[in-house]
Amino acid sequence: GAVVSQHPSRVICKSGTSVKIECRSLDFQATTMFWYRQFPKQSLMLMATSNEGSKATYEQGVEKDKFLINHASLTLSTLTVTSAHPEDSSFYICRGKTGTEAFFGQGTRLTVV
Amino acid sequence: AQKVTQAQTEISVVEKEDVTLDCVYETRDTTYYLFWYKQPPSGELVFLIRRNSFDEQNEISGRYSWNFQKSTSSFNFTITASQVVDSAVYFCALSELIQGAQKLVFGQGTRLTINP
Repeated sequence: GAVVSQHPSRVICKSGTSVKIECRSLDFQATTMFWYRQFPKQSLMLMATSNEGSKATYEQGVEKDKFLINHASLTLSTLTVTSAHPEDSSFYICRGKTGTEAFFGQGTRLTVV
Repeated sequence: AQKVTQAQTEISVVEKEDVTLDCVYETRDTTYYLFWYKQPPSGELVFLIRRNSFDEQNEISGRYSWNFQKSTSSFNFTITASQVVDSAVYFCALSELIQGAQKLVFGQGTRLTINP
């Protein structure tokens, strides 16, 4: 099946710094990329939806200036957590969509200390 | 609004027992997709099945089976002869079509523990 490669798988950063998470669709063109967040022992919640070449659409309660999403090409989308704080510690996972099919990345476990 | 309910937060059974994970959904769409994913401790989401709203046939894949009933808006998942490796969190999800996208709405998840 199609693969979405997400990096890094784990990252620890200091409070106040920024972290960039990349998702690459390896063998298909992801016209849409969904970004989800999962706090410990909770479900996955959609943060934002981005279409290639357009600005991302954020879900209610998600700060667009804090979670910067770039989807400049059909094979690469990035999520940058700016000025990270401990409460941003979470599991972030992307999902690339092409046509009627969509595929998850492996996820990134972010810990802010 | 679309909604997915997995009423069972945690289930614990002994190996070789059969176990059913419940999923009930709400949607106003006539066309939608239902999914099950497995999330082991490593975190990645393992795709198990996708079912569209027009296909009510039950599905069997090895020890896994799914029962889709539109009349009760349920999409239950049964593991037969459970094994320790089946221990994970299982998510049921509904795909809704909003503004041309297909967003996934997840249930709360069921943590399944299979004891040896």
